[in-house]
Amino acid sequence: DVKVTQSSRYLVKRTGEKVFLECVQDMDHENMFWYRQDPGLGLRLIYFSYDVKMKEKGDIPEGYSVSREKKERFSLILESASTNQTSMYLCASSLALAGNYEQYFGPGTRLTVT
Amino acid sequence: SQQGEEDPQALSIQEGENATMNCSYKTSINNLQWYRQNSGRGLVHLILIRSNEREKHSGRLRVTLDTSKKSSSLLITASRAADTASYFCATDSGTYKYIFGTGTRLKVLA
Repeated sequence: DVKVTQSSRYLVKRTGEKVFLECVQDMDHENMFWYRQDPGLGLRLIYFSYDVKMKEKGDIPEGYSVSREKKERFSLILESASTNQTSMYLCASSLALAGNYEQYFGPGTRLTVT
Repeated sequence: SQQGEEDPQALSIQEGENATMNCSYKTSINNLQWYRQNSGRGLVHLILIRSNEREKHSGRLRVTLDTSKKSSSLLITASRAADTASYFCATDSGTYKYIFGTGTRLKVLA
């Protein structure tokens, strides 16, 4: 059974803290994604990675960075958390970047920045 | 606005009834996918329809695609309380990413 796991379901951090969100997939997928989900805005792509150490900006990369040192692990980093980064963060993986492949999602991390 | 926009935003029906939700998009696509999200959880893939397909079935799900109108519909037949969730369409325009809509919140009343 395919699986994408995220390090925390709920996280509360203070403004200015450095925050790490971890995502691990066990499907040997090449591609991994980080989204944030906000009410009324749907899912917005922050960053994606198509190979180890390779990354590309999505639609809203400002204030975020990512790291992919191993194929199965994709980390999202908030260098200095701000209250407008309070959101649900979803990690996903897929066999290919686009085309006829589904994305597999983790359960999400609900981050609150106070 | 979003590439994919679902309509209606919210839908409430009785168990056993059919639920229909629609997705409109703006640019040409290679395929369109539907996902379900239970409250506070990740998304689960339901069905994919390619741009050269007009209709696809999977169990109680029926998806149609009209590329001339740039729209798709998802029909859930004989709905159950367990179908209560948000439903999203996601379009692939041949770029590196899928564009997700804002979702339809479906509530099935027992």
